[in-house]
Amino acid sequence: AQKITQTQPGMFVQEKEAVTLDCTYDTSDQSYGLFWYKQPSSGEMIFLIYQGSYDEQNATEGRYSLNFQKARKSANLVISASQLGDSAMYFCAMREGGTGGFKTIFGAGTRLFVKA
Amino acid sequence: DADVTQTPRNRITKTGKRIMLECSQTKGHDRMYWYRQDPGLGLRLIYYSFDVKDINKGEISDGYSVSRQAQAKFSLSLESAIPNQTALYFCATSDRGRRGETQYFGPGTRLLVL
Repeated sequence: AQKITQTQPGMFVQEKEAVTLDCTYDTSDQSYGLFWYKQPSSGEMIFLIYQGSYDEQNATEGRYSLNFQKARKSANLVISASQLGDSAMYFCAMREGGTGGFKTIFGAGTRLFVKA
Repeated sequence: DADVTQTPRNRITKTGKRIMLECSQTKGHDRMYWYRQDPGLGLRLIYYSFDVKDINKGEISDGYSVSRQAQAKFSLSLESAIPNQTALYFCATSDRGRRGETQYFGPGTRLLVL
């Protein structure tokens, strides 16, 4: 079974609007971490935001926020006030604890297109 | 200067050739990783190392080997390259116990095996 699922292969958003990128995960661990990375067309992987499984507050980093719904096992990324430079691939990732061997698993990604 | 560097950035090689990809980091992290990225498949873990004496296989280690020469250096080798190893390769590092062990990536190496 897929441990990280990103159901949106591609998304369009109008510049200055907010957009939500979906991510669901599957784990039996109580302690785990959730991450989002951005990959622009240049290819590098840029860390955006982290959420720990025990964190009660949703993580925020500037225009990025992570909508963490633990019972639903979802960790959606919200980008507010989209900019043209936000056009990129976005990857959700999860790092499990002991049962997962402390490894990080990545989803297949969502490509975001920001329209002017 | 970049915290995680990879050399070479691009490489074209022929089937059967041995090739080494190198990764260096100045972040002082203990943990290092090698991933490959193929279109539509996200990143898949090849090998990882939690310290200089610790090397572990990831989900797709066949056809690859690694060497952790020092805390700051982690090399990936393809002993006999084949065309389906054509991919974008990333090195990453993480700091044990810090921020969920967020991984920080190098710029990637684009490898083409003919």
